[in-house]
Amino acid sequence: KNEVEQSPQNLTAQEGEFITINCSYSVGISALHWLQQHPGGGIVSLFMLSSGKKKHGRLIATINIQEKHSSLHITASHPRDSAVYICAAPMYSGGGADGLTFGKGTHLIIQP
Amino acid sequence: DVKVTQSSRYLVKRTGEKVFLECVQDMDHENMFWYRQDPGLGLRLIYFSYDVKMKEKGDIPEGYSVSREKKERFSLILESASTNQTSMYLCASSSLLQGGTEAFFGQGTRLTVV
Repeated sequence: KNEVEQSPQNLTAQEGEFITINCSYSVGISALHWLQQHPGGGIVSLFMLSSGKKKHGRLIATINIQEKHSSLHITASHPRDSAVYICAAPMYSGGGADGLTFGKGTHLIIQP
Repeated sequence: DVKVTQSSRYLVKRTGEKVFLECVQDMDHENMFWYRQDPGLGLRLIYFSYDVKMKEKGDIPEGYSVSREKKERFSLILESASTNQTSMYLCASSSLLQGGTEAFFGQGTRLTVV
């Protein structure tokens, strides 16, 4: 069964800073998810990526399948980026049809 | 463009009550999931279903059951609610794409059992 580790657990930064959140997993997979959860809110899927890099606005996600590692970057961070960011991988090797296993999340606070 | 809808955002129930949490998706996905989220433990899989009337246990199925009578609806049932089932419950559905499954999540139901 996959184990997902995320770091850091908590991160406080100033507006405009470049943010990096890291995720590593133990079992080879075909794709990994980055999710965002605002306080009291539901979860929004930011990225599903299986190789290389994806970019959406100021968010960039990268993955190295061989090293079983992924990073989420936020450029020019803004207070509205404050949220919990969660990395998720298929519970077992493969595509994830039998569920995801999640990192504990990174609680990000961007101060004005 | 709401894709996964959970019937309630907040629920307060008494110990021993039978509780139904409903989830509906409009994307014709085969796979649906129920997770619970607790501080320090993250999200954990309770049950999932890969087809109508099919169900599989996740990591923490004890005290829960599920029902999938129609493809778009997946219900989580707490047969006799207990205080240790106070949690945030998240429903998800997924589609199998080339390279992996794309997951969509509901907005969550925060259940308090008193």
